[in-house]
Amino acid sequence: DIQMTQSPSSLSASVGDRVTITCRASQTISSYLNWYQQKPGKAPKLLIYAASSLQSGVPSRFSGSGSGTDFTLTISSLQLEDFATYYCQQSYSTLWTFGQGTKVEI
Amino acid sequence: QVQLQESGPGLVKPSETLSLTCTVSGGSISRYYWSWIRQPPGKGLEYIGYIYYSGTNYNPSLKSRVTVSLDTSKNQFSLRLTSVTAADTAVYYCARRWGIAVAGTEYYWFDPWGQGTLVTVSS
Repeated sequence: DIQMTQSPSSLSASVGDRVTITCRASQTISSYLNWYQQKPGKAPKLLIYAASSLQSGVPSRFSGSGSGTDFTLTISSLQLEDFATYYCQQSYSTLWTFGQGTKVEI
Repeated sequence: QVQLQESGPGLVKPSETLSLTCTVSGGSISRYYWSWIRQPPGKGLEYIGYIYYSGTNYNPSLKSRVTVSLDTSKNQFSLRLTSVTAADTAVYYCARRWGIAVAGTEYYWFDPWGQGTLVTVSS
């Protein structure tokens, strides 16, 4: 299995902050990397696909970068509605796996 | 647009079979790949498996206990998980596997998702 490791596991931030979350794959996955946002009691929502492509309807303050084994999700200016848990997910292998999540708190 | 809704019992006894259905609206179930993902309370996400018109793919860690099937007449797909234990307690999500081709490379992701349904395994 390809292991996905996110860091940090949680972070505290304020409205307007620039926030960066890292995801590392246990082997190279090219650009087969997606990012999701999950709010309490809700299903995950796709933010970024193919490492850096913004899903339609997602605010432009979200961006993704990276390839190979190291990836980053950046929120350029944190808004109140962005406090949530973020997951990376690889689609390189037939067994899709997720990171453990990063909780963004106030 | 495509919407998904999970349904099924919220409580299952240990050693019995968990059965869930996902109803798809706004699109034909015959055209796409359909997946199940679960999330134990307070924990991360685990891929269970997917089905498409000509086959299935399962997480090896669950493969011996999992069956995903399609009912095109009802535009539904289903999950069966046998011999459940407390470790199978989770919110179960159904989702569509979707993707695009860019310069000959195909990328896939889960979108959209159902709202999720909590299944508790307990006697």
